[in-house]
Amino acid sequence: GAVVSQHPSRVICKSGTSVKIECRSLDFQATTMFWYRQFPKQSLMLMATSNEGSKATYEQGVEKDKFLINHASLTLSTLTVTSAHPEDSSFYICSAPISGRAHEQYFGPGTRLTVT
Amino acid sequence: AQSVTQLGSHVSVSEGALVLLRCNYSSSVPPYLFWYVQYPNQGLQLLLKYTSAATLVKGINGFEAEFKKSETSFHLTKPSAHMSDAAEYFCAVSSNQAGTALIFGKGTTLSVSS
Repeated sequence: GAVVSQHPSRVICKSGTSVKIECRSLDFQATTMFWYRQFPKQSLMLMATSNEGSKATYEQGVEKDKFLINHASLTLSTLTVTSAHPEDSSFYICSAPISGRAHEQYFGPGTRLTVT
Repeated sequence: AQSVTQLGSHVSVSEGALVLLRCNYSSSVPPYLFWYVQYPNQGLQLLLKYTSAATLVKGINGFEAEFKKSETSFHLTKPSAHMSDAAEYFCAVSSNQAGTALIFGKGTTLSVSS
């Protein structure tokens, strides 16, 4: 199957700093990618839809100025957590569907963010 | 709008017993339905998916699920639990339209005792 990678897998940063998380589709092109957040012992919550070449679409309650998404190419979307705070500590997971196939969606392995 | 409800946040079974994890969905369009498993500190692994073909779907590790439109359900079963099945299980729904995200249920923790 197709592969989606994320980098880094783990990151620890200090409060007030920014952190960038990359999501790459390694062997297919993805015009759309999705970003999810998972707090400990909770489910995945959709944060935003990343669209190649256009602005991301954010879910209600997600601060677009805090979670900056850039989808500059057909294989790369980045999520930047700006001015991170401890409450932003979470597991961030991206996914990418195969274009035109709603049921073919691949998840990255996730990024564990810890803000101290 | 789409949503899934997983009944039972925690299910405990004995090794060798039947596993039944419940999922009910709500969707205004024909849904695609998925079951994922997540082990501690790891990403998601797809167990199986329903995409409007056969209503009984067989997945990996001996799991299967049946799509029942009349009951809006997609329950996950395994005839005989193994210790290695202990994990978090998520049911998810999407529409059949390309480019739509998966919406996840709250998850069910499966514990298996010897």
